Order: sequence, then structure tokens, then C-alpha cells
Amino acid sequence: QQQVKQSPQSLIVQKGGISIINCAYENTAFDYFPWYQQFPGKGPALLIAIRPDVSEKKEGRFTISFNKSAKQFSLHIMDSQPGDSATYFCAASILEYGNKLVFGAGTILRVKS
Amino acid sequence: GAGVSQSPSNKVTEKGKDVELRCDPISGHTALYWYRQSLGQGLEFLIYFQGNSAPDKSGLPSDRFSAERTGGSVSTLTIQRTQQEDSAVYLCASSLGIMYNEQFFGPGTRLTVL
Repeated sequence: QQQVKQSPQSLIVQKGGISIINCAYENTAFDYFPWYQQFPGKGPALLIAIRPDVSEKKEGRFTISFNKSAKQFSLHIMDSQPGDSATYFCAASILEYGNKLVFGAGTILRVKS
Repeated sequence: GAGVSQSPSNKVTEKGKDVELRCDPISGHTALYWYRQSLGQGLEFLIYFQGNSAPDKSGLPSDRFSAERTGGSVSTLTIQRTQQEDSAVYLCASSLGIMYNEQFFGPGTRLTVL
């Protein structure tokens, strides 16, 4: 059972455009929703994260939108840059049960200059 | 400061051999996680350690997989009698504790089983 579904699989955006990646989850017990960025040959790095008590969180060009009733959350990258080209993973976990991350399948983002 | 380090960075082995993968977490981090990243299964949780508590092994795919953490620091993931389907990147992550959200990942060990 895939607990976190991520779309699209790949995304091409023009420089300066907005990149949007969506995730949906099934387990309503999840209480932590991070987004990770991964470059080739590197481990994932935390980009931004949200708890279910807020509907939006913004850090610089990166925004998470969270819809608890729909069990969906999304990452928006504003003013996308070629350096943002990477693979993005959404994840979810239950903090008190060990914070074991359940990852989406990943989105390969390419920003064209 | 130093991040999570893993060794070796690459490991090629023959089917049926045992392998050991090492993880050095960030100093002071009490929680340590192992994940596996493969083309077919994506990123999946394997096992985690928190302080001196018994590890949560719920993600280990078979009894050929085991891990230990010595002195609350370095961890070793052991795969016995490797199979071709074990080929993947094995990632280690650490955090200040299970209630401290951010997990810091190492660069991974790429395992290839021939």
C-alpha cells in the first residue's frame, strides 16, 4: 500500500516560473510533512516542512500548502532557477512513533534557462 | 561541522557474499536511521535506533538484514548472503532525537550485487 503518492514524476519549468509538486497521503495519523531535495550522488536534504496545524508555510522561494481535509500537500517553488534542478521528495511521518519517514516516489525537476 | 558520513561510498560484491555498511552520525545525535533507495522501491525506511532503546526493525525486508549501533554512535548495516535485488543506495540519517523533526542524511553507499 503506497501511503504517500507524489506527482508529477517529472517537471520542466522555465527559469523564473513556478514549480508545483503535489502529494497525497492516506494515513491520518501522520503529523509531520517534510520536503527533501536531492542532487545526483548526494543524500536528500531537508528543504521545508510543515505540521498539520497550519495550512501554509513559506521559506524564501519555497512554500508548502497543506490541506488536511483533502489529505494533500504541495510544494511551490517561486522564481525557479536552474540551480533548483534536482529530485524532490515529499514525505510523511508520525513523530511519536519514531519519525520514520514514508517517502513519495520523487519528482525530477528541470529548470530551463 | 561534520555531517553524516558513510563508508564505503561504493561497494561491488558477488551474489551470496556478506557486506557491511558503516554510518557515522552527527556528533550528539541520538537517533539514527537507515533507508534504502532503489529504482523499483524508491526511498524506504529500514531500521532506526534511539539512544539505548531496542531498535525498531520494522522496515527490514528480510532476516538477511541486520544492524547494530555501538556506543550510541557508529552504526553498521549488515546484509548476509546478498542477492541482486539488494542492489541499491543505502542511506543513513541522524537527528537530535525522534521528536526533533529534521533528519540529516549522509551521501549513501551504492551497493551493487553481481
